[in-house]
Amino acid sequence: EAQVTQNPRYLITVTGKKLTVTCSQNMNHEYMSWYRQDPGLGLRQIYYSMNVEVTDKGDVPEGYKVSRKEKRNFPLILESPSPNQTSLYFCASTKGSSGFGRRETQYFGPGTRLLVL
Amino acid sequence: GNSVTQMEGPVTLSEEAFLTINCTYTATGYPSLFWYVQYPGEGLQLLLKATKADDKGSNKGFEATYRKETTSFHLEKGSVQVSDSAVYFCALSAAFSGGYNKLIFGAGTRLAVHP
Repeated sequence: EAQVTQNPRYLITVTGKKLTVTCSQNMNHEYMSWYRQDPGLGLRQIYYSMNVEVTDKGDVPEGYKVSRKEKRNFPLILESPSPNQTSLYFCASTKGSSGFGRRETQYFGPGTRLLVL
Repeated sequence: GNSVTQMEGPVTLSEEAFLTINCTYTATGYPSLFWYVQYPGEGLQLLLKATKADDKGSNKGFEATYRKETTSFHLEKGSVQVSDSAVYFCALSAAFSGGYNKLIFGAGTRLAVHP
């Protein structure tokens, strides 16, 4: 089954304790991205990756890091989490990112709900 | 810049009522337009899409037409069911410098359908 998986689904942590949220897709997609969802703001892109070893900032990258060492995996790293990073996080992937890639559907993971105390 | 504006919710309807959720956009070039749906406790899934002007996307009884002249992509359904209760997101995908395409979302509209 084609899917995007994220782990963990729920996480409670304390300020400053490094954490990683994993994301994996089995569709051989080039493009992957991370979003955060906050009430009244919709989804905002944190980071994206156009392919292995190619990553760049989205609209709200402060406080986050990513890496893309393999095509299928795109982990999100919070080096020193703060309460304003409490949010619902989604990983997404799509087949192409350039040219007519804008017509492609993005596939979303189930979400990770993070609470930073 | 590129942006999406959709009507604020929540929208509360009785079963079998007609649904419209308004969505307008601002974009340069030729964006593709999408409606995604988020059921309680789940991730987003594509509901329908349209990739060029005058295209109509449809799925599960929902429809939306890409209107370039009014820069709109309103979501409609003739008869809603309780199972349609969810949050609906309008989104566009547009080209950016650097050769990539980015998905930009509206704030989301929560729909609650009562028996």
